[in-house]
Amino acid sequence: GQQLNQSPQSMFIQEGEDVSMNCTSSSIFNTWLWYKQDPGEGPVLLIALYKAGELTSNGRLTAQFGITRKDSFLNISASIPSDVGIYFCAGRSTGNQFYFGTGTSLTVIP
Amino acid sequence: DAGVTQSPTHLIKTRGQQVTLRCSPISGHKSVSWYQQVLGQGPQFIFQYYEKEERGRGNFPDRFSARQFPNYSSELNVNALLLGDSALYLCASSLAWPGKTSTDTQYFGPGTRLTVL
Repeated sequence: GQQLNQSPQSMFIQEGEDVSMNCTSSSIFNTWLWYKQDPGEGPVLLIALYKAGELTSNGRLTAQFGITRKDSFLNISASIPSDVGIYFCAGRSTGNQFYFGTGTSLTVIP
Repeated sequence: DAGVTQSPTHLIKTRGQQVTLRCSPISGHKSVSWYQQVLGQGPQFIFQYYEKEERGRGNFPDRFSARQFPNYSSELNVNALLLGDSALYLCASSLAWPGKTSTDTQYFGPGTRLTVL
């Protein structure tokens, strides 16, 4: 099945630093979603984006829906240890299926 | 309010056996989707059901089947299990069929960890 290209694959950062990750697709998407997944658990929705160009914040998290509708980014400001986990982007295609990125593993060093 | 619930949490089967996984959506949600997540990868779409009808199917063999009940709960069945079917199976619910509303999103359950020996 299709998977979105997500980068970077992994990140090791110091506590307090900002984080940026992005997701690209060869297809147009109508919705972009960002999830965080802890080991052994299901993904938890962080931010949902519904319109091209939309910029949405949720606390220290900010995400944008790319103008081309083929990309999205997620920024985390002032990282803290509990930000550790795997972050996935997901897009809803024009065919109304959801496709997930390959994941970004985030490690925060205290 | 209860979120998406799945049962069982863990399951161990042997090759060739059959398995049934269960999912209860968030109250009021009418759409259920199933995903397979192999270790180290993102979830892969298997099925979507809305109002008890199949609305989408991913690239999985016919050994995989599902159904949705009148109370909107759902079952995923996998026949003739293979070692490669070992994965976390995730259920996600949404209020409506994606596309019917511009703001519909999916919420995931904790998953069922299936191990095939």
